[in-house]
Amino acid sequence: DGGITQSPKYLFRKEGQNVTLSCEQNLNHDAMYWYRQDPGQGLRLIYYSQIVNDFQKGDIAEGYSVSREKKESFPLTVTSAQKNPTAFYLCASSTNARGWETQYFGPGTRLLVL
Amino acid sequence: SQQGEEDPQALSIQEGENATMNCSYKTSINNLQWYRQNSGRGLVHLILIRSNEREKHSGRLRVTLDTSKKSSSLLITASRAADTASYFCATDDGLSNFGNEKLTFGTGTRLTIIP
Repeated sequence: DGGITQSPKYLFRKEGQNVTLSCEQNLNHDAMYWYRQDPGQGLRLIYYSQIVNDFQKGDIAEGYSVSREKKESFPLTVTSAQKNPTAFYLCASSTNARGWETQYFGPGTRLLVL
Repeated sequence: SQQGEEDPQALSIQEGENATMNCSYKTSINNLQWYRQNSGRGLVHLILIRSNEREKHSGRLRVTLDTSKKSSSLLITASRAADTASYFCATDDGLSNFGNEKLTFGTGTRLTIIP
């Protein structure tokens, strides 16, 4: 099965704690993305990566960090500096970072603060 | 600032009726895409329309693009209960350097089909 997976489905964060959301794809895509979605809102881009070992900040990168050490994996860390982390986080991938490319989305991770 | 703004924010119709939702954007684009999101799930790509196209069809979907008005519409004909979802438009940046393109998503239209 080809696709994009995210884990865990639900994640709970304690105050002051860093947490890492996993995103894996076996579509052989070069580009990967992280979005944040708040209730009733659209998607906001956190970080994206066009190729291994390279990534760029999106519109709301503060309080987040990423790495792209492997083509298949693009983990997102929500740091303690992110003061309002409760949201639905979506990972996506595409063949490459072009405006005409379809983005394929994972099922999402819902992050809740204890 | 956000590129796409969908209208209406929410729409409820009877099964079998047609559903139309609109997307407006602010700057020039090369491509506009429509995605669907079922509640609590990831997004699924529906259709892409390029800036030099005016209309595109895919099954029960019809998309139009008016670059002079910076707007697009998505029409779903003969709606079904399974069409209940949120629908988002996504635009690229027509002025961006080639090879560094990202999509900007709108706020979405929440469509409810009443059986």
